[in-house]
Amino acid sequence: AQTVTQSQPEMSVQEAETVTLSCTYDTSENNYYLFWYKQPPSRQMILVIRQEAYKQQNATENRFSVNFQKAAKSFSLKISDSQLGDTAMYFCASYGNKLVFGAGTILRVKS
Amino acid sequence: DVKVTQSSRYLVKRTGEKVFLECVQDMDHENMFWYRQDPGLGLRLIYFSYDVKMKEKGDIPEGYSVSREKKERFSLILESASTNQTSMYLCASSLRLPNTEAFFGQGTRLTVV
Repeated sequence: AQTVTQSQPEMSVQEAETVTLSCTYDTSENNYYLFWYKQPPSRQMILVIRQEAYKQQNATENRFSVNFQKAAKSFSLKISDSQLGDTAMYFCASYGNKLVFGAGTILRVKS
Repeated sequence: DVKVTQSSRYLVKRTGEKVFLECVQDMDHENMFWYRQDPGLGLRLIYFSYDVKMKEKGDIPEGYSVSREKKERFSLILESASTNQTSMYLCASSLRLPNTEAFFGQGTRLTVV
């Protein structure tokens, strides 16, 4: 079975600060991919960052980076220099034989 | 620009009605997915399809069926709508390789009364 767990239902951070969102996953696939998606109030899902499981190097996209711990099946998202526009629901997802999402974390960036 | 279009943004149906949710993508993607999104539960996979006329059950297929007669269109069918199917429904598509991103429609908020 493929599962994704996000244990933080809500988080808040001050503008310009750094925040880390947690995610753990489980899969029996040897080759899989991990993603973080953002869903702002407009409801449109947007890809934030992706990680191939066979790559040891952590992915980065501008202010967004991940901490991928394969043995621990952990895939956290770090947002640096948080901006008001980062306020959204964030979903962690894994893609082995199907694309599975976690329950999401609501992130609020405060001014 | 890539585009996944869901036929309705808001829909209200009566209990027992047959409901069709339509999704069309213009990117020639092989994979298409249907999810429902509920507070605290995230996105749960209902059905997905790897090719025309192919379908696979997701994690919560009960009460739903799907149809994919053409590559660009993936329909979700509620045979007899019930109030517990009131939810946000999201369609997505992607290329066959899993390392490409999935593109999502804008969602359909379905209310069954």
